[in-house]
Amino acid sequence: EPEVTQTPSHQVTQMGQEVILRCVPISNHLYFYWYRQILGQKVEFLVSFYNNEISEKSEIFDDQFSVERPDGSNFTLKIRSTKLEDSAMYFCASRGWTGWDETQYFGPGTRLLVL
Amino acid sequence: GQNIDQPTEMTATEGAIVQINCTYQTSGFNGLFWYQQHAGEAPTFLSYNVLDGLEEKGRFSSFLSRSKGYSYLLLKELQMKDSASYLCAVTRNSGNTPLVFGKGTRLSVIA
Repeated sequence: EPEVTQTPSHQVTQMGQEVILRCVPISNHLYFYWYRQILGQKVEFLVSFYNNEISEKSEIFDDQFSVERPDGSNFTLKIRSTKLEDSAMYFCASRGWTGWDETQYFGPGTRLLVL
Repeated sequence: GQNIDQPTEMTATEGAIVQINCTYQTSGFNGLFWYQQHAGEAPTFLSYNVLDGLEEKGRFSSFLSRSKGYSYLLLKELQMKDSASYLCAVTRNSGNTPLVFGKGTRLSVIA
């Protein structure tokens, strides 16, 4: 069964450093998302992406964040200058277009720790 | 604005039935999802309700009442592996809409 994959599974970085989190969505999917989950808290939406542009972004997704689909398969989240509070699990999700079905399928996540 | 409420924790016995409730207040509501999340893992899709009524899928069923802003997830014949967090999430009727999650209900299944 097709699945969303993410790399790396874990990333440790120093405050102020740039990180790039990578995702390969399910191959025939058209809509892509990034969510994050701080330890012990709820899953929060960051950004959605369709047709090579951002569809919607949350208040969390400030100028330090950017997304890119550099080729036909990868979808990346970049954090330009990490802060301690960026430590979280980052999930990529994707969905296809099958009429009314909006089901999003999540990747296994990247656990980011900022020291 | 959006507000999603579900109980923080529940405990149930192996083999029993448990119902996890979710209430929501969402402008432009479109549909409601239930996801299962084991500790340290990704949410995995369980069910999707857009119309009123009950959707049954094996041991899991999900119900939606749009007029009441209410849903529940029903788990039958509980197994130890069902111990996990169950996340209620809603979408709005606005194109490429994101999921808005509740805080999740941590279910513990005991022998």
